[in-house]
Amino acid sequence: EIVLTQSPGTLSLSPGERATLSCRASQRVTSIYLAWYQQRPGQAPRLLFSGASSRATGIPDRFSGSGSGTDFTLTISRLEPEDFAVYYCQQYGNSPYTFGQGTKLEIK
Amino acid sequence: QVQLQQWGAGLLKPSETLSLTCAFYGGSFSGYYWSWIRQTPGKGLEWIGEINHSGSTNKNPSLKSRVTILVDMSKNQFSLNLSSVTAADTAVYYCARGTQTRVGFDIWGQGTMVTVSS
Repeated sequence: EIVLTQSPGTLSLSPGERATLSCRASQRVTSIYLAWYQQRPGQAPRLLFSGASSRATGIPDRFSGSGSGTDFTLTISRLEPEDFAVYYCQQYGNSPYTFGQGTKLEIK
Repeated sequence: QVQLQQWGAGLLKPSETLSLTCAFYGGSFSGYYWSWIRQTPGKGLEWIGEINHSGSTNKNPSLKSRVTILVDMSKNQFSLNLSSVTAADTAVYYCARGTQTRVGFDIWGQGTMVTVSS
């Protein structure tokens, strides 16, 4: 089973700042099979990126994804109030499909 | 508008069987894999298993012996049965659609809180 470790656990920033979230895999993940999700309180997760860097429909371009191998990054260039949420990475390349434990992005 | 709607019992006693159903609306049911995923404060998001329109399944080994996933193509529905539940199965359960290239879950149900308590 591929273990995904996200860091930091909590990130405290202000609106307008840049956020950088990390996801590290216990073994190599083919980039196309790495996804990112956003989850707001009381809601289901929402797909942000599939294929590590392919933005899902309706996701603003202040969000970007990058990485390869075992290290992947989600960047939010200028935080908007609605971006404060929990973010998860997920791998779809090896069954069982697994999720990271999440990074909580909170308002400073 | 494509959407998943799910339903099922929210309160179970230990040893009972959890049963949830998920219906897809607004698009083609064929050509996708349909998953069940659960979320707990302690273990986070855990993928339970998936099924395609022809009934082919793939399950998480950690739950495989207790999980049954079925599909009803005539209704664009799929279901989850989890037998012999314990308090550790208390979670929010989601159904979700895997993209056609299976690179992410692009549509999610609204979630069902299932509590196991005597």
